[in-house]
Amino acid sequence: QVQLVQSGSVVKTPGASVKVSCKASDYTFVNNYITWVRQAPGQGLEWLGWVSPHYGHTKYAPKVQGRVSMTTVDTRTAFMELRSLRSDDTAMYYCARGSTTNWFGPWGQGTLVTVSS
Amino acid sequence: QSSLTQPASVSGSPGQSITLSCTGSRSDIGDYNSVSWYQQHPGNAPRVLIYDVTNRPSGVSNRFSGSKSGNTASLTISALQAEDEGDYYCSSYTSIDTVLFGGGTKLTVL
Repeated sequence: QVQLVQSGSVVKTPGASVKVSCKASDYTFVNNYITWVRQAPGQGLEWLGWVSPHYGHTKYAPKVQGRVSMTTVDTRTAFMELRSLRSDDTAMYYCARGSTTNWFGPWGQGTLVTVSS
Repeated sequence: QSSLTQPASVSGSPGQSITLSCTGSRSDIGDYNSVSWYQQHPGNAPRVLIYDVTNRPSGVSNRFSGSKSGNTASLTISALQAEDEGDYYCSSYTSIDTVLFGGGTKLTVL
């Protein structure tokens, strides 16, 4: 059974950067995308973008374009880096396997990123 | 459009059928069959219930079904159970090669 395991919760100060990892067990991403989604406290889901491990292609949401980078280092591990953090970046960040028709599953357990001075 | 439109809350009694709606535009739901639905229980990650408008992944109960008409997608839950209580989100691919989520619907089982 495919499982995605993410790195642990972090606290950052405004202006800093954060890098979240997502590692697949018993699966490789080679034929899929890795999608990143965040959820602010008490709020809904927000799509951030995707990366294609096979081709290295990326697509980012306009709201975070210019501050976000999504990468893979092999066919099992993906990273999402968000720079110039603001308080409204405080959220649970999820990775998920993405299909070519843009549905997502399974999901990682989530990484809580708190931005506070 | 910043998000798809979902009712904030719905409720139903055990055994009933309910339908959750998700309204977009011609630039997303109306033009693409890449509509999916997710269920999220408090403290847990979302899980996919429906993909490509009508398809169910293996392991998802056949009490969940999806459909689409024009710019609106729907999720129907039949024979409502207490364990169905939670938040439900729709999503759609868009014409600018992004994905939009709905704001979410909180389902209460009375």
